[in-house]
Amino acid sequence: DIQLTQSPSFLSASVQDRVTITCRASQGISRYLAWYQQEPGKAPKLLIYAASTLQSGVPSRFGGSGSGTNFTLTISSLQPEDFATYYCQQLISYPYTFGQGTKVEIK
Amino acid sequence: EVQLLESGGALIQPGGSLRLSCAATGFNFDMYAMNWVRQAPGKGLEWVSAMTDRGDSTFYADPVKGRFTISRDNSQSMLFLHMNSLRVDDTAVYFCARRGWLSFYYFDVWGKGTTVTVSS
Repeated sequence: DIQLTQSPSFLSASVQDRVTITCRASQGISRYLAWYQQEPGKAPKLLIYAASTLQSGVPSRFGGSGSGTNFTLTISSLQPEDFATYYCQQLISYPYTFGQGTKVEIK
Repeated sequence: EVQLLESGGALIQPGGSLRLSCAATGFNFDMYAMNWVRQAPGKGLEWVSAMTDRGDSTFYADPVKGRFTISRDNSQSMLFLHMNSLRVDDTAVYFCARRGWLSFYYFDVWGKGTTVTVSS
């Protein structure tokens, strides 16, 4: 199975900060990587797929990059509604594993 | 509106069985592979199972293999998860999710989830 390791697990930041979350795969996954945002008590929401393609309706302050084993989610200017937990997921092969999550909290 | 709505969650004793349902509306259900994802209390997301669009292939996570069975009824736009030999560590919110694709895959539509609690 492909393991995904996110870092950090927890992040404290202020509004308008630039935030970067990394996701490392245990083996190459090309660009079969998606990022999701989850608010407490809600379903995950797709932000980015194919490592860098912004899902329709997602604000342009969210960006993704990477290929192979190393990936990054960047929020260019953190907004109050962005405080949530973020997950990466690989979709190159079953089981479709998720990273352990990164919780972004207000400093 | 594209929507998924899960149902069937309950409080169940260890060793029991349960069937979860997911009703799809607003899209051609038979064109999409479908998945179940769960989230234990205070924990992260865990992919559970998948079924291809025509229902001819299924996939399972190791912790549920041999105990859970995924199925679908394309004529009714319904996805199911049959859960047997339930364990305390199966306690979670269960989400169904649509797998979209544009050269690469992603889960673009999620239900709100249904809660399964396994406890004596």
